[in-house]
Amino acid sequence: KQEVTQIPAALSVPEGENLVLNCSFTDSAIYNLQWFRQDPGKGLTSLLLIQSSQREQTSGRLNASLDKSSGRSTLYIAASQPGDSATYLCAVADNNNDMRFGAGTRLTVKP
Amino acid sequence: DVKVTQSSRYLVKRTGEKVFLECVQDMDHENMFWYRQDPGLGLRLIYFSYDVKMKEKGDIPEGYSVSREKKERFSLILESASTNQTSMYLCASSRGEGNQPQHFGDGTRLSIL
Repeated sequence: KQEVTQIPAALSVPEGENLVLNCSFTDSAIYNLQWFRQDPGKGLTSLLLIQSSQREQTSGRLNASLDKSSGRSTLYIAASQPGDSATYLCAVADNNNDMRFGAGTRLTVKP
Repeated sequence: DVKVTQSSRYLVKRTGEKVFLECVQDMDHENMFWYRQDPGLGLRLIYFSYDVKMKEKGDIPEGYSVSREKKERFSLILESASTNQTSMYLCASSRGEGNQPQHFGDGTRLSIL
C-alpha cells in the first residue's frame, strides 16, 4: 500500500526566502503526483501536477520536481511571501485512480 | 473553471442523528470522491463513484454510505452519527478518462456532539 510522507510537518521562514518542501512515497509505480495548497478551513487547490514521465513542472514562483526511482518530490517556492502561508499537500495517484495523500506541511511566511 | 460545491461549510449534529452531506459539481465529471481529513492523518478516502448509481468503498467506509442518483451530485450519509466522525469532509470530482486531476470543494466541517 502506497504511503506518502511529508517532512517537515511545519515550517516558518522570513519573507523573501526561497524554500523547499519535501514529499516521499514508498511505491515508485505511480501515474502522477500532485501538489495542493490548503488554506485554513478551506478545500484543496491544485498547484502543480507532474505525470510519471515528467521530471518537473513550473508555475510562476513554484517548481515541482519528481524523482520516481528514489520516491521523492520537492516543491520549490521562490521569493516567499506572507500570502504563501498555507498547508501544502502532496498526493500520489496510481493507474487505478487511487490517490494517496501526505499529511501536509504547514508553511508560515513571516513579514 | 470547475466548481465543486458542498452544501454546508459548518454543521453541528448530535450523536445518533442521520446526517447528509451534499456535493455538486458542474463540469459533467464522471468520478466523484468523498474524503475525511483529520490532523496528522491527511486525507482518507471514504467512498468514490465512477458513474451514476455506482459506488465503491474507499479505505474507511465503516459508518458511512453514499448515494449517486444523478451524475452531478454525490451524497455522503452518516447513518447514525458518532463523535469519532467529527472531522473535515472534502468532496472531489474528476473526469473519467485516464487519470485526471481531482478538483475539490471547500469542505464541510462537521461536529458531532
